[in-house]
Amino acid sequence: KAGVTQTPRYLIKTRGQQVTLSCSPISGHRSVSWYQQTPGQGLQFLFEYFSETQRNKGNFPGRFSGRQFSNSRSEMNVSTLELGDSALYLCASSLRGARETQYFGPGTRLLVL
Amino acid sequence: DAKTTQPPSMDCAEGRAANLPCNHSTISGNEYVYWYRQIHSQGPQYIIHGLKNNETNEMASLIITEDRKSSTLILPHATLRDTAVYYCIVRALESQGNLIFGKGTKLSVKP
Repeated sequence: KAGVTQTPRYLIKTRGQQVTLSCSPISGHRSVSWYQQTPGQGLQFLFEYFSETQRNKGNFPGRFSGRQFSNSRSEMNVSTLELGDSALYLCASSLRGARETQYFGPGTRLLVL
Repeated sequence: DAKTTQPPSMDCAEGRAANLPCNHSTISGNEYVYWYRQIHSQGPQYIIHGLKNNETNEMASLIITEDRKSSTLILPHATLRDTAVYYCIVRALESQGNLIFGKGTKLSVKP
């Protein structure tokens, strides 16, 4: 079974731009969670989607948003990029919800200049 | 979810067992112990989890003390590819679901 895939793997943007990252969960998994990892803050939870609905949200500003499609694929969007948004963005999928074992993708490395 | 304490770093000789400790003295009866690892700049990889009993899979063994206040992840024959940051996470199934990662233990396997 294929694992979690994330595209693109690397991205360079400039301040003020917006970016969309994509995540395809493991086949059959219906929950997708997003995390941000930075050297200073470590791994932090952004939000979780299940059956196209956001079920849980971390403490991030409204510039960070996401959505989930009927095939469970998910996208996250960051608008008005700031230098501090440079990070590794990780997506994790689980079968019936984030309370179950989460399996992570390889991440998207975003650099904001 | 209960807080965990792990040593910041450990070394292990290649081919030897790596024993990674985790303290979770405030763990509740309904909280599981999960272990993930992250090899440099990759996504975290699920290793194993358990509630009360010791668990073993193809990657590792998890030993949980009888009082559940601490646990040890054992990699039986460490290889250079096991060099990674290992995270011990305690989580209740009734929680919101998001994983709360601490700083983990940086395991360096040396030849």
